[in-house]
Amino acid sequence: LAKTTQPISMDSYEGQEVNITCSHNNIATNDYITWYQQFPSQGPRFIIQGYKTKVTNEVASLFIPADRKSSTLSLPRVSLSDTAVYYCLVGGAAGNKLTFGGGTRVLVKP
Amino acid sequence: DTGVSQDPRHKITKRGQNVTFRCDPISEHNRLYWYRQTLGQGPEFLTYFQNEAQLEKSRLLSDRFSAERPKGSFSTLEIQRTEQGDSAMYLCASSLAGAGRSYEQYFGPGTRLTVT
Repeated sequence: LAKTTQPISMDSYEGQEVNITCSHNNIATNDYITWYQQFPSQGPRFIIQGYKTKVTNEVASLFIPADRKSSTLSLPRVSLSDTAVYYCLVGGAAGNKLTFGGGTRVLVKP
Repeated sequence: DTGVSQDPRHKITKRGQNVTFRCDPISEHNRLYWYRQTLGQGPEFLTYFQNEAQLEKSRLLSDRFSAERPKGSFSTLEIQRTEQGDSAMYLCASSLAGAGRSYEQYFGPGTRLTVT
């Protein structure tokens, strides 16, 4: 499975846009890019998944450049409740298990 | 609510005892996964089922651990002769099969195990 690298932590303020970039230099042709959110003492929650270009849903946007060696999760106008750990995962075509890294701890301040 | 449910939510046991956890997946999902998460770490894969068949087991799943999914519905995870190192959050997830779909997993709230 492709290894991912993402920042350990990020701070932001309410109402700002938060962008988390994930590097995955050895992504395979058939791999998808998936992001999860996890609050303390809860299971991870699926946020968004993409293969190339841009994907948007009601929660976030996912930007994937043409070479697919990185991706950026964008959270628009964050609130205090967006404080969580965000995980970037790559894979899904051949494998079935999710391989989580350390994630990015996002702290939204008032 | 038709999400993934897990029971119990918390379990405290003494070292050497056996414990069993239950997971009820989203009804139309044919895949079911077990993960373990310790404080400050991301979840680690333990095993997964497609319908009733257990298709993959992690090396983390020692012979003290056993998982079943009879009839392809709910699943149980049993830990025999618990050790303090087994203390963790045990997470269950479910998904549909298929390229990309298996990465869209829906997690339950977890069972927090404390071994004293």
